[in-house]
Amino acid sequence: AQSVTQLDSQVPVFEEAPVELRCNYSSSVSVYLFWYVQYPNQGLQLLLKYLSGSTLVKGINGFEAEFNKSQTSFHLRKPSVHISDTAEYFCAVKEGQAGTALIFGKGTTLSVSS
Amino acid sequence: NAGVMQNPRHLVRRRGQEARLRCSPMKGHSHVYWYRQLPEEGLKFMVYLQKENIIDESGMPKERFSAEFPKEGPSILRIQQVVRGDSAAYFCASSPPGTGMNTEAFFGQGTRLTVV
Repeated sequence: AQSVTQLDSQVPVFEEAPVELRCNYSSSVSVYLFWYVQYPNQGLQLLLKYLSGSTLVKGINGFEAEFNKSQTSFHLRKPSVHISDTAEYFCAVKEGQAGTALIFGKGTTLSVSS
Repeated sequence: NAGVMQNPRHLVRRRGQEARLRCSPMKGHSHVYWYRQLPEEGLKFMVYLQKENIIDESGMPKERFSAEFPKEGPSILRIQQVVRGDSAAYFCASSPPGTGMNTEAFFGQGTRLTVV
């Protein structure tokens, strides 16, 4: 069965600092990987996704993530964060076949302060 | 192309009442997913539906909860005899048919259910 582990529940950083939000998954088959962002009282917005091809994926708002199959990881990174990046970030996995749903991690709260 | 539409955005019910949450998927999307988000927790998968079929309901509580996605009209998540523990944000997502590049799910704004 699939599962997603987000290793840090909260990540506080200062503005303009780099940040990495960690995500590991478990699955016995090929997977698709996603990062979503949720601002307070809002729905989820897709940041980026890995389906196939290059393991380094670039998304919106300057975020990127790298798929590492051997380590079953999909960590999210941004070289310089802004106050406006303060939000909840969710990693999700979907098995690469029809008839399966997205499975989410518990989320990481990124708090950016000045 | 409108996004995934959920209504109502906020719903207050007294204990014992019924709650009906609606989700209209994006145009062309035939797959609908319901998730529940409890305070301080991530999104928990509830049910995955295609038109007129429940594909996976492994995340649905065994009692009081049901979901449907009729041939015409929105998907409905129904909670009977609500209890305080049902208070949560309920999110709907939709995706187009098929696999491969078309596996992205788009989320609605959610319905925040409060049971008093």
